[in-house]
Amino acid sequence: AQSVSQHNHHVILSEAASLELGCNYSYGGTVNLFWYVQYPGQHLQLLLKYFSGDPLVKGIKGFEAEFIKSKFSFNLRKPSVQWSDTAEYFCAVSSMNTGFQKLVFGTGTRLLVSP
Amino acid sequence: ETGVTQSPTHLIKTRGQQVTLRCSSQSGHNTVSWYQQALGQGPQFIFQYYREEENGRGNFPPRFSGLQFPNYSSELNVNALELDDSALYLCASSGQGEETQYFGPGTRLLVL
Repeated sequence: AQSVSQHNHHVILSEAASLELGCNYSYGGTVNLFWYVQYPGQHLQLLLKYFSGDPLVKGIKGFEAEFIKSKFSFNLRKPSVQWSDTAEYFCAVSSMNTGFQKLVFGTGTRLLVSP
Repeated sequence: ETGVTQSPTHLIKTRGQQVTLRCSSQSGHNTVSWYQQALGQGPQFIFQYYREEENGRGNFPPRFSGLQFPNYSSELNVNALELDDSALYLCASSGQGEETQYFGPGTRLLVL
């Protein structure tokens, strides 16, 4: 069965600090990878996604993620965080091998950016 | 905003009752998925509907059921509510053959 691990449950950073959130998945086949963000009081929003091609993908608001197949990882990065990046971040994986698409999510990482 | 809407926003029920949650998919999207997000957890897949039929299901008991209508809107029904059903229920829609799902704001259900 697919599973997703997010090792950092809570992260506290100061503004302008660099961010890296870890995500590892367990699945042997071809997968699609996603990062979603949930700002306080708002719904889940897509931050970025990887289907194929260049393993370094860029998303909205200056975020990027790198897919490393050999490590089954899809870590999220941002060079300089802002207070407005305070949110919960979810890594997710999907596969169409089952004939339908379901997203398997990690438990999320709460990021608090102090001004 | 994704264009996916859900109603109601909040709901309080008692154990043993039944509940119906509703979702309107984004325009042009014919696939709807439902997820349960318990407090402090990531969303967990309940089931997916495509062209009015369930085409995939997660590890949830049969008392979780659903419908999809010709306009692609959807309902999630939960019978015999249990305390552990208290959670945020998320609906997500996607277009045919599209891998990306777009989420609604969710319905927060509290079972007392």
